[in-house]
Formats: sequence, structure tokens, C-alpha cells
Amino acid sequence: QSALTQPRSVSGSPGQSVTLSCTGTSSDVGGFNYVSWYQQHPGKAPQVIIYDVTKRPSGVPGRFSASKSGNTASLIISGLQAEDEADYYCCAFAGSYTWVFGGGTKLTVL
Amino acid sequence: EVRLLESGGGLVQPGGSLRLSCAASGFSFSSYAMNWVRQAPGRGLEWVSGISGSGGSTYYADSVKGRFTISRDNAKNTVYLQMTSLRAEDTAVYYCAKRPLGYCGENNCYFDCWGQGTLATVSS
Repeated sequence: QSALTQPRSVSGSPGQSVTLSCTGTSSDVGGFNYVSWYQQHPGKAPQVIIYDVTKRPSGVPGRFSASKSGNTASLIISGLQAEDEADYYCCAFAGSYTWVFGGGTKLTVL
Repeated sequence: EVRLLESGGGLVQPGGSLRLSCAASGFSFSSYAMNWVRQAPGRGLEWVSGISGSGGSTYYADSVKGRFTISRDNAKNTVYLQMTSLRAEDTAVYYCAKRPLGYCGENNCYFDCWGQGTLATVSS
């Protein structure tokens, strides 16, 4: 149950696109199509923005998209907006009803 | 509206115990698996434990196995986390998180609703 690997920080200017990576193993990210992403603003609870690798819950803007290749998942945010500045966590199902999270990426909108 | 409200956090000495509660409303509680996820100060999220809707199946992270016990009272719409033999590294905000309906599979193997969390501090 080792944490997934995420870059500690990324940044981008308004309107730009950024990609956040999440690397695991064949036992979690690569083993199941159950990768989810959570956005967390300071002092707030996490909120799901992507589930099942690529699906967006209702209400999540289309600027958020995601993909997976092998043991690495990616979150793409296009048309960056100031309100996108937050911490982002990936999460993968690891079998036997256990989950593993990444260490989180702090997104700064310049 | 789905609501999850955690309580029970506080300051406890190393080796001590604490019981966290999560009161749920706005959905048919007994039908849904529930989980606890924690976040140490300034750190990332860590899945801690989960329980099936009936309470008959429970799951734990290796870091808490044998020390923490998850349970639920479906009559009170509440899930609990009993924490014993607490260590400084257990200091965290503990979030209650709900999964969508059903066995973990397509469209329901993630956490769709979270509470605001309760802080447990383990320190002498």
C-alpha cells in the first residue's frame, strides 16, 4: 500500500493547459480502471472531479479531462482559471476494497 | 441533500484511544459502503478503513490494522472509527467518505461525498 507518485507542484497561466501525472503500479493504477481525482481547496474537504479514469461527475466543467496509460494516470486541465488553484489528489482502487492515494499536487495559477 | 458530519476528534496522549463518529443524512444509509480517509497536517490523503452497508465486511490499511476498528449503526445512520494504541503519526484530519451504491465496479468505485473532517491530535 505505497502512495501513488504525484509531482509536488505545477503551475500555469490563465487560459493555459496543465497536465498532472500520477504513477502507481500494476496492482493499483495499472490493475483496474478505477482511478479517481479529487480537488481540494484550502481548509475544505476533497471533491471528486474524475472517476473511472475518464468520467466527470455532473457539475464538473469540461475543462477537466483525464486518461491512463499503463501504470500512469493523468489529469488535464485546459483553459486554466483562477478558481482551479487547489491541491489535486489521484486515487486508485488496489483490490480487496482498499484504495491508495497520491501525495497530491499543488496547482498554482500564475 | 447528502450530508456527512464527523465528530469526536480531540487531543489524546500516545497510546491512548479515541472514537470518531460520522452522522449521515440525505440518503438511504444502510445501502451504502462508508469509508474513513485521513490527512496529516500539510500532507496528502490516506485511505484508512471501509465498511459495507450491512456492516458485515470491514477493510483496513496496513498502517492501522489491529489498532483501528470501523463499525456502523444503521439505526442511527452513523459510522464509527475506534482508534486505539494511538501514535503521533496518527495525527490527522479524519474524513468520512461515502461510495456510490453497489459493489465496487464501474461507476461506483470512488468516493462521491465527503464530510468536513474532524481533527485528531496525538501528543503528550
